[in-house]
Amino acid sequence: QKEVEQDPGPLSVPEGAIVSLNCTYSNSAFQYFMWYRQYSRKGPELLMYTYSSGNKEDGRFTAQVDKSSKYISLFIRDSQPSDSATYLCAMSAYTGRRALTFGSGTRLQVQP
Amino acid sequence: AAGVIQSPRHLIKEKRETATLKCYPIPRHDTVYWYQQGPGQDPQFLISFYEKMQSDKGSIPDRFSAQQFSDYHSELNMSSLELGDSALYFCASSLRGATNEKLFFGSGTQLSVL
Repeated sequence: QKEVEQDPGPLSVPEGAIVSLNCTYSNSAFQYFMWYRQYSRKGPELLMYTYSSGNKEDGRFTAQVDKSSKYISLFIRDSQPSDSATYLCAMSAYTGRRALTFGSGTRLQVQP
Repeated sequence: AAGVIQSPRHLIKEKRETATLKCYPIPRHDTVYWYQQGPGQDPQFLISFYEKMQSDKGSIPDRFSAQQFSDYHSELNMSSLELGDSALYFCASSLRGATNEKLFFGSGTQLSVL
């Protein structure tokens, strides 16, 4: 069983919809949680970073962490066609010079 | 602002050949990570370097080796290539002591083994 599970999608929504992306994890040592956006044949780009349970908001993006349930979510409000990409969750038990454990990514398509 | 530079962008090799991938971190970044992402797969951590020393090791095959040079650029050497090595190889860099959100990825090298 993988340490991080993520629904691969694809997820297709109309423009303006609220999108919910989710990951579950099994390693209770994970303390740092990230969401990356990856366009086709490009490197992952950091969207959100958090290390505490609760919500963190940045513009149209909200990251939610529930450590007791080992569950994290990314919400995208007022989704745009430019949000069409693969979204990867990533986690780490450490900060600094440590590798990240990624989910498999959810492919999102926002239809104009 | 300067980003992480990887070269080449695309590489086509045949089975049993060797390949060398290069990564140039963001200026002043001293830590480099290598990840392998197969088609439709999540990025898998291979190896990392801090101040030219290996700092962490993941699922890197014995056929692969890597090093970091005095100018902090890194090279991933891959020998006896197999079809299953076809993947997108990412390099990421960060600054000493930086937290996870300060990790920046390059655009990757797409390796195709025929």
